[in-house]
Amino acid sequence: EAAVTQSPRNKVAVTGGKVTLSCNQTNNHNNMYWYRQDTGHGLRLIHYSYGAGSTEKGDIPDGYKASRPSQENFSLILELATPSQTSVYFCASGDASRGDTEVFFGKGTRLTVV
Amino acid sequence: GDSVTQTEGLVTLTEGLPVMLNCTYQTIYSNPFLFWYVHYLNESPRLLLKSSTDNKRTEHQGFHATLHKSSSSFHLQKSSAQLSDSALYYCALIASSSFSKLVFGQGTSLSVVP
Repeated sequence: EAAVTQSPRNKVAVTGGKVTLSCNQTNNHNNMYWYRQDTGHGLRLIHYSYGAGSTEKGDIPDGYKASRPSQENFSLILELATPSQTSVYFCASGDASRGDTEVFFGKGTRLTVV
Repeated sequence: GDSVTQTEGLVTLTEGLPVMLNCTYQTIYSNPFLFWYVHYLNESPRLLLKSSTDNKRTEHQGFHATLHKSSSSFHLQKSSAQLSDSALYYCALIASSSFSKLVFGQGTSLSVVP
């Protein structure tokens, strides 16, 4: 069964601090994604990757960096966290070989920046 | 860029009434792939329906949708709402030949009441 694991599941960070959200997938998928979920905005794409070593900007990349060191791992980095980045973050993975492929999500990380 | 619009943020329905959630999209790509994902509370979002074929109805778990490229729409319907249908529903789009960038709409929260 497709598996995407996010860590941590909950995080409280201080303003100006560095936060790293981690994601691991065992699906051998090329594509990985980071989204944030906010009421009224839905799932907004922050960064995505189509393979190890690649990262692409999504629709709201400002204030975020991403790293894809391997096929399995995709991290989201907040170098200087701000309260506006308080949100629920979802990682997902998908097969790049066809457009109608299903994307599988992790359970989400609730980040609070105080 | 590519975008998805869901006009209703919250839909409240009485059990047994029909469901229709609206989804329209914008893309310059002539062969987009459209999806509906469902997000139940305390779970991960998961795929409900998908389509890339113009004017062909697709069905799953009592829900159905038809991609209409002429109107750039992919509305989700169900003949009779059940209490268990209460969830957040997302329309999503892949509109590139690389099959990589997956973009979601704002989401529609469906609440089915007795």
